[in-house]
Amino acid sequence: SQQGEEDPQALSIQEGENATMNCSYKTSINNLQWYRQNSGRGLVHLILIRSNEREKHSGRLRVTLDTSKKSSSLLITASRAADTASYFCATDRGGADGLTFGKGTHLIIQP
Amino acid sequence: DVKVTQSSRYLVKRTGEKVFLECVQDMDHENMFWYRQDPGLGLRLIYFSYDVKMKEKGDIPEGYSVSREKKERFSLILESASTNQTSMYLCASQPYGYQYEQYFGPGTRLTVT
Repeated sequence: SQQGEEDPQALSIQEGENATMNCSYKTSINNLQWYRQNSGRGLVHLILIRSNEREKHSGRLRVTLDTSKKSSSLLITASRAADTASYFCATDRGGADGLTFGKGTHLIIQP
Repeated sequence: DVKVTQSSRYLVKRTGEKVFLECVQDMDHENMFWYRQDPGLGLRLIYFSYDVKMKEKGDIPEGYSVSREKKERFSLILESASTNQTSMYLCASQPYGYQYEQYFGPGTRLTVT
């Protein structure tokens, strides 16, 4: 069953602006991960945040996690045309059954 | 770098055919996964394996089977392909244990006519 739900489903911004995507989930988790998928390709891992962490940075990416609200956000600063992609959150509930993915946010960066 | 390869990028098969999708990873990962991705539905887990000859059903195993005879190879089998199995199929691998990312292959876009 789907665990994570991203919001918005689609987002279009100008190059240089910041992009924020949100993810909500339903059950307790061990960690939450964000992936990027360029059109028609496989997924690429961006960042993992553990359940005891509140914020994590990686380059132009900033992820927050609020376990009390069961939500996470992904911020991409100073967006570039190459950031155009679909972004998925995935939750790891700690079992051996892998990740549960949301439906994704499609981000378009206008040059 | 971890590399996960899938046997085909694009595949067209006829209804009723037996279809094999192959996935190979080169990082000695214990866990391997097969997902399908459909517009509006995101990624859904079909089967996964955490060891050679071991397999577990995911959320949507109906109409599929898997084989893992060697650690590096995980095959997805459509016994009798149907049009509702037209989809993008993604394979992933992961080290055993928690708190690890998954590494994805490039995907196979399967069309069943």
